Amino acid sequence: EVQLVQSGGGLVQPGGSLRLSCAASGFTFSGHWMHWVRQAPGKGLVWVSSVFSDGSRAAYADSVKGRFTISRDTAKNTLYLQINSLRAEDTAVYYCTGNSVDNFDYWGQGTPVTVSS
Amino acid sequence: DVVMTQSPLSLPVTLGQPASISCRSSQSLVHSDGNTYLSWFQQRPGQSPRRLIYRVSNRDSGVPDRFSGSGSGTDFTLKISRVEAEDIGVYYCMQGTHWLGDLFGQGTELEIK
Repeated sequence: EVQLVQSGGGLVQPGGSLRLSCAASGFTFSGHWMHWVRQAPGKGLVWVSSVFSDGSRAAYADSVKGRFTISRDTAKNTLYLQINSLRAEDTAVYYCTGNSVDNFDYWGQGTPVTVSS
Repeated sequence: DVVMTQSPLSLPVTLGQPASISCRSSQSLVHSDGNTYLSWFQQRPGQSPRRLIYRVSNRDSGVPDRFSGSGSGTDFTLKISRVEAEDIGVYYCMQGTHWLGDLFGQGTELEIK
């Protein structure tokens, strides 16, 4: 069974940092793109970032470029999102999601990030 | 950047009746490799999204056959032949052809009348 188990969210002050983690099991993590998608309270899904299967390339939404860094550790089958310089508008549930047959085959349970003083 | 536009944004339906959601993209979603990367996702209340359809019309494993996808180029449709109570939630189209801008549509909330 494929599982993406997320951790690392929480309450953080504006300007603060967090690292989100997503531990994958049950599928060939190293062979596929992985992504982060977020959902602000009561809003829709928004793509945040993607990383190539070997970690050599990454892409970011304009709203997070320069503040967020996506990475992956193939040995640990884990995806990360380092979030710096947090703003109120970054408050959202963050989902990790991974490709297999196509885009976004598998989803984690989501982890909430709240930016507030 | 590609813009994905769904309609309607709210869809009240009667149990057992059909439902249809439209998704339009501002650019063709035909990739240079010949594939059209248009997917549909369902998000039930309080749950993570789940993909239903990929590459326009391919149903994912475990998805009931009352769900179907169609379309080409810039116009796509998700149809539910007979709505059941478990179908309530928000439905999103998503394009994976042009990896810039918003990949997802705004979402369509399916509710039971």
